[in-house]
Amino acid sequence: ELKVEQNPLFLSMQEGKNYTIYCNYSTTSDRLYWYRQDPGKSLESLFVLLSNGAVKQEGRLMASLDTKARLSTLHITAAVHDLSATYFCAVDLIQGAQKLVFGQGTRLTINP
Amino acid sequence: GAGVSQSPSNKVTEKGKDVELRCDPISGHTALYWYRQSLGQGLEFLIYFQGNSAPDKSGLPSDRFSAERTGGSVSTLTIQRTQQEDSAVYLCASSLSSVGLAPKGEQFFGPGTRLTVL
Repeated sequence: ELKVEQNPLFLSMQEGKNYTIYCNYSTTSDRLYWYRQDPGKSLESLFVLLSNGAVKQEGRLMASLDTKARLSTLHITAAVHDLSATYFCAVDLIQGAQKLVFGQGTRLTINP
Repeated sequence: GAGVSQSPSNKVTEKGKDVELRCDPISGHTALYWYRQSLGQGLEFLIYFQGNSAPDKSGLPSDRFSAERTGGSVSTLTIQRTQQEDSAVYLCASSLSSVGLAPKGEQFFGPGTRLTVL
C-alpha cells in the first residue's frame, strides 16, 4: 500500500526566511504533485514532477523529486505572508488508476 | 476556460437521508475522480472513471456510496442512508488522461461540496 508522509505538519515562520517541506513515499512512483489549499478552498495545482531529478520553480517556491530516495521537497525562499496555506504532496502509482495518495498536508503560517 | 464545477457547494442533511452530489468536469477531460476530505482522514480517494472503462471503486468506504458518470461527462456521487461520519468535503477532479506521456494526468480539482450530516 502506498503511503505518503509529509513533515513538518505545521510550520510557522517569519517573512523573509527560507524553509523546506519534505514528502516521503513508500513505493515506486515517478509522478509526484504538489497542491496548495487555502482555508475553505479547493486544491490548486502547483507543480507536477515526472522524473527523477526533476526540479520546478515558480516564484518563491521550488519543488524537486528524487525517485531513488522516494523523496520530494518543496522549498520556500524569502517567505511572504501570501504563501500562508496548507500544502499537500500527492503520489500516484505507475501502474493502475491515477488515484492520488495524499500526504497529511503541511499547514504553513507566515508571520509578518 | 471553465474549470471543474460541483454542486451544491454546501449540503446539510439529516442522518438516514440520501444525498446526491454533482460534478461537471473540464470539457474534454476523460478521467474523473472523487475524493473526500475530512479532519480525521485527510484526503482520500473514492472512485475513478476513465472513458468507457469500468470505474475503479476501490476507495468507496461502504456500499452506501455509489457513483455514476453519464455520457462520459457529468458524474453523480450518491450516498444512501447518510451517517454522521459521512460529513466531509467531497472533491471532484478531472484530467485529460490516465495513461501516457502528456499531459501526465495532472488533476484539476473542483471547489468541493461540504456535506454535513446532522
